[in-house]
Amino acid sequence: RKEVEQDPGPFNVPEGATVAFNCTYSNSASQSFFWYRQDCRKEPKLLMSVYSSGNEDGRFTAQLNRASQYISLLIRDSKLSDSATYLCVVVDTGTASKLTFGTGTRLQVTL
Amino acid sequence: DAEITQSPRHKITETGRQVTLACHQTWNHNNMFWYRQDLGHGLRLIHYSYGVQDTNKGEVSDGYSVSRSNTEDLPLTLESAASSQTSVYFCASSHGRFDEQFFGPGTRLTVL
Repeated sequence: RKEVEQDPGPFNVPEGATVAFNCTYSNSASQSFFWYRQDCRKEPKLLMSVYSSGNEDGRFTAQLNRASQYISLLIRDSKLSDSATYLCVVVDTGTASKLTFGTGTRLQVTL
Repeated sequence: DAEITQSPRHKITETGRQVTLACHQTWNHNNMFWYRQDLGHGLRLIHYSYGVQDTNKGEVSDGYSVSRSNTEDLPLTLESAASSQTSVYFCASSHGRFDEQFFGPGTRLTVL
């Protein structure tokens, strides 16, 4: 089983739609979580951190479910400019401390 | 403004040649990282450094080396380029070891 798994998509949604992505992780001791956004042929950039209580940033909501070992990203009122690949990142701060990136979920928002 | 740059942005080389990719950051971050990104694998960590003179192997370090002689730079060297090392290479830096990482624009390397 991969350490961090994401549905690769693509998710094709119309403008204005709500879309949700999930990401599962295998290490129950994982401490921190992020969502990054990567545009085609560009570098990844931080979209938002994921906090235990869940957090919201405008149209974006991130949730963490430690019991089931997954994090989610909800995008409301999708815009054309949201089209990108969304990378889930899991941080393990134990003896093998590292960040592990998922392979990403591609979102295409259409008119 | 602080930034992180990579050079060259594109490189074509031949099997067996030594290649060095440059990474320079002006954030004054202690932590720097090298990743490669391939279809189906996502970002994989090659080497990382938590400070000057500190270097560590990541999950795909074979055939690569780094050195950290100052805070700003972490060059990545491919000792003897192989076709399997054709990839997009990203350098990143962060303030804290597990904080947000800021990525450079990437280097697209082709080994023929």
